[in-house]
Amino acid sequence: KNEVEQSPQNLTAQEGEFITINCSYSVGISALHWLQQHPGGGIVSLFMLSSGKKKHGRLIATINIQEKHSSLHITASHPRDSAVYICAVRLDQGAQKLVFGQGTRLTINP
Amino acid sequence: NAGVTQTPKFQVLKTGQSMTLQCAQDMNHEYMSWYRQDPGMGLRLIHYSVGAGITDQGEVPNGYNVSRSTTEDFPLRLLSAAPSQTSVYFCASSPHGGLPSYNEQFFGPGTRLTVL
Repeated sequence: KNEVEQSPQNLTAQEGEFITINCSYSVGISALHWLQQHPGGGIVSLFMLSSGKKKHGRLIATINIQEKHSSLHITASHPRDSAVYICAVRLDQGAQKLVFGQGTRLTINP
Repeated sequence: NAGVTQTPKFQVLKTGQSMTLQCAQDMNHEYMSWYRQDPGMGLRLIHYSVGAGITDQGEVPNGYNVSRSTTEDFPLRLLSAAPSQTSVYFCASSPHGGLPSYNEQFFGPGTRLTVL
């Protein structure tokens, strides 16, 4: 079983819909990252959070350390949000590396 | 700033050949790392470096070597390519000399490698 599980693996929605992508992990962590991988392959960091909630534009990330769960929300989704969204966790032990989820492929249709 | 650059973008090798994937950053980041991305799997750390002259193994280091002679460059060497090394390779860097997971990571555009 992967230490980091994302759901759904694939998500297709219509423009304007509210999007939720989930990340669950089975190990103790002290921080979690959300990344976005564009269709061309480039990867950018969206958020790093260790508690509560962060917001940037139409993107909102939340984390519940006790429940070992994080969500990434996109409000008023747009076709340009189509990408693979990747969750990665910093373990309590071995903090030199991140453990990555498999990613969620999001497609927003106009 | 160019950010993190990688060359080549695409490469095809025959089994047993050697090659070097280049990675450079112009942001004066102390931490640099190499990942591989395979279908159905998350990014996996190959090697990383916390500063010039310092390197360490990640999760999947076998078959790869790295060196860090300057802050800017972090090449990844495949000593004898195998089909199992067919993958997309990403280089990343992060600032402040700290552990990457404490800081935002900046990724290069990736190198798609096929080993026949």
